[in-house]
Amino acid sequence: AQSVTQLGSHVSVSEGALVLLRCNYSSSVPPYLFWYVQYPNQGLQLLLKYTSAATLVKGINGFEAEFKKSETSFHLTKPSAHMSDAAEYFCAVKLSSNTGKLIFGQGTTLQVKP
Amino acid sequence: EPEVTQTPSHQVTQMGQEVILRCVPISNHLYFYWYRQILGQKVEFLVSFYNNEISEKSEIFDDQFSVERPDGSNFTLKIRSTKLEDSAMYFCASSPLTIGAGGEQFFGPGTRLTVL
Repeated sequence: AQSVTQLGSHVSVSEGALVLLRCNYSSSVPPYLFWYVQYPNQGLQLLLKYTSAATLVKGINGFEAEFKKSETSFHLTKPSAHMSDAAEYFCAVKLSSNTGKLIFGQGTTLQVKP
Repeated sequence: EPEVTQTPSHQVTQMGQEVILRCVPISNHLYFYWYRQILGQKVEFLVSFYNNEISEKSEIFDDQFSVERPDGSNFTLKIRSTKLEDSAMYFCASSPLTIGAGGEQFFGPGTRLTVL
């Protein structure tokens, strides 16, 4: 069964430090990959997506992610954390263009300390 | 900026009662979805809807659930006889005409359903 695994349900970094949120997927074919962010009392907002073009994807708010097929990973990074980055982050996969179904990871809560 | 809206934000109901969760997708979108997230668990796909019919559904989406687009703006999820395990946050999403390769889904803020 296809799945998405996010390592670490909680990640804490200091303001200005590197943010690294991990996502691994299991799929027999290259999927479409997404990172969503959820701020308190808001819906899921798309940060970035991989759709088989460039393997390094840049998103909003300074985030980027790199698709590594050999490692079946799509880790999310940001060079310097801001207090406003504190939120819950979800990795998701869509297995083909013929389905709208997103399969989500369990989410990672990012805490940013001053 | 257009957004998906959901009402109510929180619904409390008694076990066995029917509930209807409402969503207003972005106006020019034609694909609609419901997801749910039980507290502490993953966001799970329930159903997708296009051209006034279900295009895909998960094993969770049994006969207790139904979806409808009653008019040109609303998209509803009905649970006929709620169970305790239906307590969750329910998210509505919509996407443009062509989902294509990695078409983006726009999510609403969710409705928290509590079944007592």
